[in-house]
Amino acid sequence: DAGVIQSPRHEVTEMGQEVTLRCKPISGHNSLFWYRQTMMRGLELLIYFNNNVPIDDSGMPEDRFSAKMPNASFSTLKIQPSEPRDSAVYFCASSSLAGLFNEQFFGPGTRLTVL
Amino acid sequence: GESVGLHLPTLSVQEGDNSIINCAYSNSASDYFIWYKQESGKGPQFIIDIRSNMDKRQGQRVTVLLNKTVKHLSLQIAATQPGDSAVYFCAENIDDYKLSFGAGTTVTVRA
Repeated sequence: DAGVIQSPRHEVTEMGQEVTLRCKPISGHNSLFWYRQTMMRGLELLIYFNNNVPIDDSGMPEDRFSAKMPNASFSTLKIQPSEPRDSAVYFCASSSLAGLFNEQFFGPGTRLTVL
Repeated sequence: GESVGLHLPTLSVQEGDNSIINCAYSNSASDYFIWYKQESGKGPQFIIDIRSNMDKRQGQRVTVLLNKTVKHLSLQIAATQPGDSAVYFCAENIDDYKLSFGAGTTVTVRA
């Protein structure tokens, strides 16, 4: 099993540009989570999908952030326009049931730097 | 100048000794807890979990203890090895699917 796959691993962009982060969850998992990790705020949940449907996006910072899950094997997190304060490591995680009592498997993360 | 950001607790341990990492959780209604290990440049990796109907659970070289009375969770690592150097996070479920992560503890193993 390849685990959760994220791309790109590193992204450097300039303020105002659009950034798209990609995630492929573990096959068979029906829950997908996007997290952001910073030194200031630690690990924060941005959005959660269950069976490709967004269930809770209350953690999404603002309208510049959007996430989609067009099918069970692919999700994107988009930032448009990007700002320097968006610099962080973004993790995707997946789990096999609705989330209760199930570990979340994390991908390697995308380190985003916005100049 | 003063650093800004989360001030992570740190633990320095001699190789071969046992490590104990502590975590205080906030929600008395939480019924599921996980310990994750995060090595530099990698995503958090599951170590062990425990449900609230238990007070102890053992894995390979790791033991998690849960004290619901004082809302305290601990992770014990036996015979700590250099590969155990990482940041360790406790997490509690705060509803059906959300996990709330602690700030993390940085463990450094001395050879």
